[in-house]
Amino acid sequence: DVKVTQSSRYLVKRTGEKVFLECVQDMDHENMFWYRQDPGLGLRLIYFSYDVKMKEKGDIPEGYSVSREKKERFSLILESASTNQTSMYLCASHPGQGYEQYFGPGTRLTVT
Amino acid sequence: GESVGLHLPTLSVQEGDNSIINCAYSNSASDYFIWYKQESGKGPQFIIDIRSNMDKRQGQRVTVLLNKTVKHLSLQIAATQPGDSAVYFCAEPDTSGTYKYIFGTGTRLKVLA
Repeated sequence: DVKVTQSSRYLVKRTGEKVFLECVQDMDHENMFWYRQDPGLGLRLIYFSYDVKMKEKGDIPEGYSVSREKKERFSLILESASTNQTSMYLCASHPGQGYEQYFGPGTRLTVT
Repeated sequence: GESVGLHLPTLSVQEGDNSIINCAYSNSASDYFIWYKQESGKGPQFIIDIRSNMDKRQGQRVTVLLNKTVKHLSLQIAATQPGDSAVYFCAEPDTSGTYKYIFGTGTRLKVLA
């Protein structure tokens, strides 16, 4: 079974802090994604990566950056956390065309 | 633009009854559709998928129907159980040539005892 893990389930940070969210997948998938999920808005793509050191902006990249130094790990960075970044963050990996994305359990981030 | 939408945001169903969750999609070129289940506080889990060359696909207690004429998907859950309470959403591949997906906003299924 594909396993996607996220570093934290719950996180509370202060405004202005730098926040790192980490995601690891164990199935050698090339494609990895970061989403945020807010009530009524569904899943919104922040960034995705289709290979090591490769990244592309999603629909809402402002205020975020990513890092993919190894194939299995995709990190989301909030350079200076703000209260409007309070959300559920979901990581996913994907083996390729015609297959589903596999999601991690999510990190609920609260910025105070 | 492309969109995947759901007709009902909340669906309440009596335990033991069948549930039907609907999804409309806008991209007629989509060749693959997925249904996910997301329980409270958890990440989405794959339930079932269907390819565009099929009209129906059955799994364990779930059936997905695809009507390409009206660009409509439905997820049917037979004999709904309390454990089926969750948010369900559909997804289709983005046609931009990447591996992105477009997700619906979801329908919350509440199972009444």
